[in-house]
This record gives sequence, C-alpha cells and structure tokens, in this order.
Amino acid sequence: EAQVTQNPRYLITVTGKKLTVTCSQNMNHEYMSWYRQDPGLGLRQIYYSMNVEVTDKGDVPEGYKVSRKEKRNFPLILESPSPNQTSLYFCASSLLPYTDTQYFGPGTRLTVL
Amino acid sequence: QKEVEQDPGPLSVPEGAIVSLNCTYSNSAFQYFMWYRQYSRKGPELLMYTYSSGNKEDGRFTAQVDKSSKYISLFIRDSQPSDSATYLCAMRRGSARQLTFGSGTQLTVLP
Repeated sequence: EAQVTQNPRYLITVTGKKLTVTCSQNMNHEYMSWYRQDPGLGLRQIYYSMNVEVTDKGDVPEGYKVSRKEKRNFPLILESPSPNQTSLYFCASSLLPYTDTQYFGPGTRLTVL
Repeated sequence: QKEVEQDPGPLSVPEGAIVSLNCTYSNSAFQYFMWYRQYSRKGPELLMYTYSSGNKEDGRFTAQVDKSSKYISLFIRDSQPSDSATYLCAMRRGSARQLTFGSGTQLTVLP
C-alpha cells in the first residue's frame, strides 16, 4: 500500500530533551516536507526537500532540523524542544516538487512540557 | 494579515444540504488552488485541484475560483455524514515550491 508513515504518533517530552520524528514514504517520491498544524493557524511548512541531500527552509524553520540521506526517509529533529513546539506535525510527500497532490502521513502529536 | 483567510466554522448542516466553503486571499500571484479534506486524527488528502479561474466538478464536489475577487469556493451537493471533516484550502504561486494553506473549516453533516 502506498503510504507515508510517521513515528511516533504521540509523544510527550520535556523541555530540552532532543527528539526525532521519523517519516518514510514508499512511493519513490522526490519531494518531502514537514508541516505543523496549530488551531487557527492552519498548516505551516517547516522544511522541505527536493531530493536526497537537498533541503530548504519553509515558513517556520526555527528550532527544527532535517536531513535527507535516503530518498524514502525525511526525519524531523528537535535538538532542544520548547513548549511553543507543542503541535501536530505532518510529513508529506509528492512525486515532483511542483506537484500539488501531496500525500500526508497520519500525524504526530507532540507535547513539550 | 494572513495571505489566505478561511472561516474556521464550525459549520453544521443537515444531510442532503448544499454546503458552501470559502477562502479569500490577498496575493494575486496565486495560480494553483486546491481543497484538502482532513478527517479527525488523519492527515489531509487532496480533494480538488484547479488552475486559475473557473469551475471544476467532480461528482458531488465543485471547486470555483474567481481570481478577480481573490475568492475560491468549494460546493458540496447532497452532503452526507461521511463528508464531516475539516476542509482546508491551499494555493501556490506559479513556480513556488510551497503551498499556502488556509486554517480550515470544520464541517459536520447531521444524519
């Protein structure tokens, strides 16, 4: 089944404790991105990747890191999480960068205490 | 001011009603317009896609774009309880690599 998977689905952590949210897609998509979704603000892009080893900042990159060492994986790293990073995070992928059909993962709900 | 404005609702309608969901935007460079549907505890999924002005129909769904008014709409005919979800509009400038999303409208269709 073609899909985008994220792990973990739920995470509660404390301020400053480094964490990684994994994202994997099995559709051989070139383009992958990370979003955060907050009430009243909608989906905001954190980082995106056009292909392996090519990443770029989205609208809200502060406090996040990403890497794209393999085409299928695009992990999101929070080196020192803070409470304002409490949010619902989505990974998405699409075949090509300009393709508007993005396939979203199921989401990761992160709470930073 | 946000580039894309969307009434958050919530919107409740009886089964069989015609639903109208709307977004306004401020950037006239947007050329590609999408509607995503997001069920509770799920990721968004693409529902409709249109380029520039005009209408596009797909079954019970019609997407409408009015670039002169910077206004897009999604109409749902004969709404069903299974249409209950949050609907997000999204748009993109011509060569941009990013989508700009509205904040979403929560719709409930009552049986």
